Order: sequence, then structure tokens, then C-alpha cells
Amino acid sequence: GENVEQHPSTLSVQEGDSAVIKCTYSDSASNYFPWYKQELGKRPQLIIDIRSNVGEKKDQRIAVTLNKTAKHFSLHITETQPEDSAVYFCAASSTGGYQKVTFGTGTKLQVIP
Amino acid sequence: ETGVTQSPTHLIKTRGQQVTLRCSSQSGHNTVSWYQQALGQGPQFIFQYYREEENGRGNFPPRFSGLQFPNYSSELNVNALELDDSALYLCASSLNRGSGNTIYFGEGSWLTVV
Repeated sequence: GENVEQHPSTLSVQEGDSAVIKCTYSDSASNYFPWYKQELGKRPQLIIDIRSNVGEKKDQRIAVTLNKTAKHFSLHITETQPEDSAVYFCAASSTGGYQKVTFGTGTKLQVIP
Repeated sequence: ETGVTQSPTHLIKTRGQQVTLRCSSQSGHNTVSWYQQALGQGPQFIFQYYREEENGRGNFPPRFSGLQFPNYSSELNVNALELDDSALYLCASSLNRGSGNTIYFGEGSWLTVV
């Protein structure tokens, strides 16, 4: 089955700096890669996603890149703000007749004011 | 707000008991999946229901079972509760069953087994 690895597990940045979280996946047939932000005690919230026919996608301060050949994808947050502090999960969805999303282990991002 | 509602939000059960968790999907979504999120970990796929049938399952034992109703709402049942079942249980709905559909999580049900 699919395996998603995520690094780093914790990340501290100064407010205004950029943050980068990297993930790798194992199933070359995976075709959908969402990113979720989870604040303490709350549900995971979808912040951006990318499909395998696209190499890069941007939404304001957030961007995601996908390298299908290397099976890598990354989340980039620019101009970080204290409210960006949370746990971020990358995920990959395998092809097939049902939607199984495999999550990474999470990155705890702390933005220091 | 995702339009996915879950109940109850918190509950405490004793080891060996049974629990039922409920989920109402977002309007227009015919597919519901359930995930277990243990403390400090990412969500783990339990199973997915589409048109009232289970059509995909993760690595969870048969004591985890579910139902989907004609209105697409769903239940997760866990029998013979174990301490390790303590977790946040997340319901997610999507427009359709296949890969590539965006899934939207509900607020979750926090289960504590003592």
C-alpha cells in the first residue's frame, strides 16, 4: 500500500520567513495530494491540493509543488504569520475504486512573533 | 464549516463496551469515509461507504464496522473496545467514491476508553 513520509517533524521560523515541508510517497499510481492544517483540538482543514497532472499550484501565501518522477511533493508558506502555527499533514490518494487517503506523520510548525 | 456533522463530540467508554458514532455528510455528497487519529499521529483510513455499501477498507479488524443510510449519513460501530481505540474519529464526505475527490472532515468524535 501507499506510504507517505514527511519531514521535518517540527519546524520553527521567525514571523515573515518562509516555511517548507517535504513529503515523499511510494505508490507511483497516486494521483491526488492534499495538504491539511490541524490546530490543536480541531479537525484537519484542507488548505491546498494538487493533482498529478499539475506540477505546481499557488494560493496566496501557500504553494505546493509535485515531482512525479521523484515522488516528492512540498508545501511552501511564504511571509509566515503567528496564525500559521499548527500541525500540517501531507497526504496522497491512491487510484482505484475508492478514495483512500494516506497521511504523513505531520509537521508541527511554530511561527515566532 | 464543511457541512459534515458528527456526534457525539466527546465520549468515555469502558474497555469491552461497544460504541456508535454518527456522521451526516455534506449536502450532495454520496460518499463517506472514516478515519482514526491517535494522539500525535496522522489520520488512518478505516473504511469508505458508497451507496450504502462498504467499498474500501484499511487495516482495521472486523470489530470496526459501519453503515450508510439512504440519505448518505453514516455510522461507525466499534465492538469490544480496547484502550488503544482511544482516539479522534473523523468522518469525511466527498462528492464521489473515486480517487482524486476532495474530502471534507467533520469536527470529529473524541473517544476515550478507560
